[in-house]
Amino acid sequence: DAKTTQPPSMDCAEGRAANLPCNHSTISGNEYVYWYRQIHSQGPQYIIHGLKNNETNEMASLIITEDRKSSTLILPHATLRDTAVYYCIVRVATDNFNKFYFGSGTKLNVKP
Amino acid sequence: GAGVSQSPRYKVAKRGQDVALRCDPISGHVSLFWYQQALGQGPEFLTYFQNEAQLDKSGLPSDRFFAERPEGSVSTLKIQRTQQEDSAVYLCASSLGWTQYFGPGTRLLVL
Repeated sequence: DAKTTQPPSMDCAEGRAANLPCNHSTISGNEYVYWYRQIHSQGPQYIIHGLKNNETNEMASLIITEDRKSSTLILPHATLRDTAVYYCIVRVATDNFNKFYFGSGTKLNVKP
Repeated sequence: GAGVSQSPRYKVAKRGQDVALRCDPISGHVSLFWYQQALGQGPEFLTYFQNEAQLDKSGLPSDRFFAERPEGSVSTLKIQRTQQEDSAVYLCASSLGWTQYFGPGTRLLVL
């Protein structure tokens, strides 16, 4: 079962920042938040992950609230190629490995 | 370097046929995962391998689904007596640490 809640779709103007929210109110203290995106007919692509501190890489920034119950993925300057479904995932540690629970994601439409 | 590859990319099967889907993980990746993605939904976990050992198969929907990774590298997901509800994209992912890297998937259509 997905452990995250995301809006089903969002629009963003090309060149503007895209801010994608995610709720994960039942997250446990040692569970990481991961973000992936899936462009049509491709496999999911890793974007970024974090535990409690804000994170930034060449693709995006991840802002996690202090209580860790929600986070926001920020694409600073969205382009048409950023149109995709964005998944916010909680990585759950099991006895054997770390399991990813995907939800339905947010379809981001970047418009010219 | 080379990513995760999957073959075939598309497969059409008649109901009742057996199918085999192949995954070539990134070289050296110990962990391998299979997911099923229905249309309009996020991927759902099927099974996990650590090297050749299948440590979790809790997501396999029925005993018609079988996965193997005999030499700890290439993996095959086999579906016996396919049903229409098996139509989906089957994704393979591999990892060395915690981050999973996905292949392009195999789109299976059962008629």
